[in-house]
Parts: sequence; structure tokens; C-alpha cells
Amino acid sequence: AQKITQTQPGMFVQEKEAVTLDCTYDTSDPSYGLFWYKQPSSGEMIFLIYQGSYDQQNATEGRYSLNFQKARKSANLVISASQLGDSAMYFCAMREPDSNYQLIWGAGTKLIIKP
Amino acid sequence: KAGVTQTPRYLIKTRGQQVTLSCSPISGHRSVSWYQQTPGQGLQFLFEYFSETQRNKGNFPGRFSGRQFSNSRSEMNVSTLELGDSALYLCASSLEPGDPRETQYFGPGTRLLVL
Repeated sequence: AQKITQTQPGMFVQEKEAVTLDCTYDTSDPSYGLFWYKQPSSGEMIFLIYQGSYDQQNATEGRYSLNFQKARKSANLVISASQLGDSAMYFCAMREPDSNYQLIWGAGTKLIIKP
Repeated sequence: KAGVTQTPRYLIKTRGQQVTLSCSPISGHRSVSWYQQTPGQGLQFLFEYFSETQRNKGNFPGRFSGRQFSNSRSEMNVSTLELGDSALYLCASSLEPGDPRETQYFGPGTRLLVL
């Protein structure tokens, strides 16, 4: 079974609109971390935001926020006021003891912001 | 603080050759992980080093090897290159392994093309 599922292979969004990128995960461990990364066409993986399984509040970092619904095992990334520079691949990843804390990755979502 | 650096950035090799990639982590980070990214397989974990010891290994053949030096710099080596080894190789560093809260920070990657 897939540990991390990103169901949106690609998305087109109008500039300045908000966008939600979906991520569901599967783990039986109570202690885990969820991460979102952005990968522009240059290839570098850029860390965006982190959510811990015990965190009571949703994580926020500037225009990025994480809609964490623990019971549903979802950790959707919300980008507010999208910009042209947000066009990139976005990956959801998880660290958990069962996988010896290595990052487990989703397949990614290709986001294109239209002017 | 300088980020993760990887050298070389681009590499072209022929089948049967070997290649060595280098990664310098963020100052103070002692854990280094390597990932292979291909269009077909996505992101796959290769191995993780901490304190000069391989702590974790992914499901790759023995042609893929690595090491870590006392200054935390890491190298990975691929011997007897195959066409399927063409990929983006990403290196990531973090302070410590074994913690779901630890964020991994990535370098720009090395693009390897095997002809």
C-alpha cells in the first residue's frame, strides 16, 4: 500500500488565487512528521513546511499553511495568493519509525500558475 | 549559513564506467541522506550516513555505495553504470537521524546522464 498518496498529478491555477494540494498518508505509528517540498524545474528540493503528529495547531509558514486532519490522515498544503514563481512540482513526504525515519515520498503534484 | 552543496552539478558518463558524487552538508549537520529521482520511479531513498556509519539503506544493488568522512561530507559511488542509472541524485542533510521532527535540507542535485 502507498504510504503517501498525492491524487492530483497536475493543477492549473489562476495567479493570486489560493490553491490546495492534497496529501493523504498511511501509518500506524503515533509519532511521525509530515513535510512539504517544492521542486522547481532547476531540480533543487526546497523545504516548505512541517507538521508533527502531536502538533495541536496547523502549521503555517508565510503564504503556506497545512490543513492537518489527523483522523482522516490527510495533510493538505494550502498556498494563499499564488504567484507565478509558485509553478513547480510539490511533494508531500513523511518520516516515521516504521520506515526507520527515512523520508517516504508521494508522487508529486505539478502546479502551474497562469497569469 | 551555507546550504547543502553537491558536486558536480552535471555529469555525462558511458555504460560500464563508474562515477563519484560529492555532498557537503550544512555546517553542524551530521546526517546525510542520498536519493535518486527518475521520471519513472520518482524519489527513492538510497542510503543515510551518520557519524561516518551507514545507518540506513534503500533497495538498490551493491553497485551503489557511499561513505561519510569525519567532517560529515559524503560521497556516493556508482560502479558499472547502466542506462537506467540516469537520474537526478539528491543529497540532503539534517542535524540528527532517527527523529520524525527533523527536517532534511537538500542540495541542488547532480544530474547524471549515462550514454
